[in-house]
Amino acid sequence: GAGVSQTPSNKVTEKGKYVELRCDPISGHTALYWYRQSLGQGPEFLIYFQGTGAADDSGLPNDRFFAVRPEGSVSTLKIQRTERGDSAVYLCASSRSLGDTQYFGPGTRLTVL
Amino acid sequence: AQTVTQSQPEMSVQEAETVTLSCTYDTSESNYYLFWYKQPPSRQMILVIRQEAYKQQNATENRFSVNFQKAAKSFSLKISDSQLGDTAMYFCAFMSTPSKLVFGAGTILRVKS
Repeated sequence: GAGVSQTPSNKVTEKGKYVELRCDPISGHTALYWYRQSLGQGPEFLIYFQGTGAADDSGLPNDRFFAVRPEGSVSTLKIQRTERGDSAVYLCASSRSLGDTQYFGPGTRLTVL
Repeated sequence: AQTVTQSQPEMSVQEAETVTLSCTYDTSESNYYLFWYKQPPSRQMILVIRQEAYKQQNATENRFSVNFQKAAKSFSLKISDSQLGDTAMYFCAFMSTPSKLVFGAGTILRVKS
C-alpha cells in the first residue's frame, strides 16, 4: 500500500482480556517501530524492529507487552491481561532503514473498560 | 537520556499570518536529527520537516522553515502564510542512533479565519 496501515482502527476490550494490534508497513521498509500515545501527550517509544528481529524493546512497559514481526513485514503488538492504564493510541511507523525518516500509520485507539 | 521540551501548550494565529513554535532539547550526542510532525484530529502523524544536526543550513519546506541553533539546543518551526488546514497538534522530535524518536509534549496550533 501507499502508506502504513494499522488495524483495527479502534478496539474496545475488557480488563484482563488479550488483544492484538496489527501494523502493515510501507512496502520495502525494513525498519518498523511501535509507539504509545496517551491522551494529551507525545508518543512514547515501545519497540523497534530491523527486519525480523527486535533491535530495541526497552520501551515495553512490562512483560504483558510483546511484539513480533515473523517475516520482516507485518508486525503484531500483543497485550496480555489488559489493564485500564493500557488505554491509549498505539502508533506504528516504518522507515526504509534505521536512521531514515519514520512514516506513521493512523494508529489504533485501544480502550480498556 | 534525551529530552525534548515544547514550552507552548497552545498557540493561535490569524489566517495568512506567521507563527513560530518553540522547541528545545537536551542531548550529549553530536550527531542527531530533529523533526517536526503535525497531528490533526484525524490522528495521522504527518512529517512536516527534518533537520540533520551536522547541516548548518536551516531546512525549508514550502511555507515551513526551521531556526536550528545547535549551541543553544533550540529548534523552532516557523509557519508562514498560515492556512486553516494548518490547525493541528505539532510535535518536535529528536532522533539519534539507534533510531527511536523522542517526542515533546506538543503544541496545539489553531489558525483562525
